Amino acid sequence: AQSVTQLDSQVPVFEEAPVELRCNYSSSVSVYLFWYVQYPNQGLQLLLKYLSGSTLVESINGFEAEFNKSQTSFHLRKPSVHISDTAEYFCAVSVALNTGFQKLVFGTGTRLLVSP
Amino acid sequence: DAGVTQSPTHLIKTRGQHVTLRCSPISGHKSVSWYQQVLGQGPQFIFQYYEKEERGRGNFPDRFSARQFPNYSSELNVNALLLGDSALYLCASSLGRTAIYSPLHFGNGTRLTVT
Repeated sequence: AQSVTQLDSQVPVFEEAPVELRCNYSSSVSVYLFWYVQYPNQGLQLLLKYLSGSTLVESINGFEAEFNKSQTSFHLRKPSVHISDTAEYFCAVSVALNTGFQKLVFGTGTRLLVSP
Repeated sequence: DAGVTQSPTHLIKTRGQHVTLRCSPISGHKSVSWYQQVLGQGPQFIFQYYEKEERGRGNFPDRFSARQFPNYSSELNVNALLLGDSALYLCASSLGRTAIYSPLHFGNGTRLTVT
């Protein structure tokens, strides 16, 4: 079954430093990958997604992720983080159901802690 | 436009009781999915409903059930509550059938505590 693995449960970083949150997926013929962010006491918000085409995908708030088929990775990066980026980040993969619909399978999450 | 709304926001129940969680999707969204997020874990898929029919079910016991109404709102029911059912229950709506081309919009969740 398709799955994603987030190796880092917590990543501490100083403000304005670069950050990389790691995500590896189980190999598949076709794969659809997502990054979601969850701020405290809130639901999840879609950050970016990879469906096909360009391997580098960007979000509107400066995050980017690169789909790497040879390394089965979809790491999330930001060149300079802000205090407001402090949140839980989830990598997810879309998995087909036997009804023809899809479900999301999430990783265990990485807590990004940005300090001044 | 209002986002996905869930009620109640918090709930405390005793083992063995029954609970009903409610979700109102974004206007025009026909698909509703339910996820369970245990503390420290990623969300796990419970159900998806589209056009009032169940389209997918995750690996949860029959104590979990759901339905979608003609106005596309949805209820998640859990019977015979166990301590392990304590979690944040998230509802997500989308315009189309799949999250691939139709992004999921999540509500803020219902925090269920079973004592």
